Amino acid sequence: GESVGLHLPTLSVQEGDNSIINCAYSNSASDYFIWYKQESGKGPQFIIDIRSNMDKRQGQRVTVLLNKTVKHLSLQIAATQPGDSAVYFCAENGPGGFKTIFGAGTRLFVKA
Amino acid sequence: DADVTQTPRNRITKTGKRIMLECSQTKGHDRMYWYRQDPGLGLRLIYYSFDVKDINKGEISDGYSVSRQAQAKFSLSLESAIPNQTALYFCATSSLGYEQYFGPGTRLTVT
Repeated sequence: GESVGLHLPTLSVQEGDNSIINCAYSNSASDYFIWYKQESGKGPQFIIDIRSNMDKRQGQRVTVLLNKTVKHLSLQIAATQPGDSAVYFCAENGPGGFKTIFGAGTRLFVKA
Repeated sequence: DADVTQTPRNRITKTGKRIMLECSQTKGHDRMYWYRQDPGLGLRLIYYSFDVKDINKGEISDGYSVSRQAQAKFSLSLESAIPNQTALYFCATSSLGYEQYFGPGTRLTVT
């Protein structure tokens, strides 16, 4: 069935290091991908997105990479800060945006 | 003010009671969603609405119902609450082809 999964449920990094959070998706027809950040006690917040006609997109300290050949999505956070500690979800949208599937999430811990 | 608001933020209720969770948005979006979040399971879609006259079931709609009272309002009801409906509930809104904006969530406990 369709699914969006994460390779690691938790990730611990040292402050200042780069973080990489990975995500696998199974629907090759998905054409829009989003990363969300969820801090404790809050709803998910949009971080960055990428459409299927791109393989890389950069934001402020974040980069999303899309590899359609192996159906893999990653989120890279540069110079990770304590405020980056949160759960990160990837999500995929099918064609027409009729269906969004969320992964289970990866919890990122940033060590001072 | 927040773009998406949810009321109540916390609710404890007993088995068999009817509960309504409310959501309002000021984004002007046509699309609204209700999700449930359980530990380790991510977000699961309960119902979604693409406009005021459109209501669709998500992957876990059993035991829930919704009402789209206006473009800005989308409420979720549990007709007869049961303990396994204890969870965190999120409302979200979006435009076609873009990211979703989430509310702060409602923590529901059914005893």
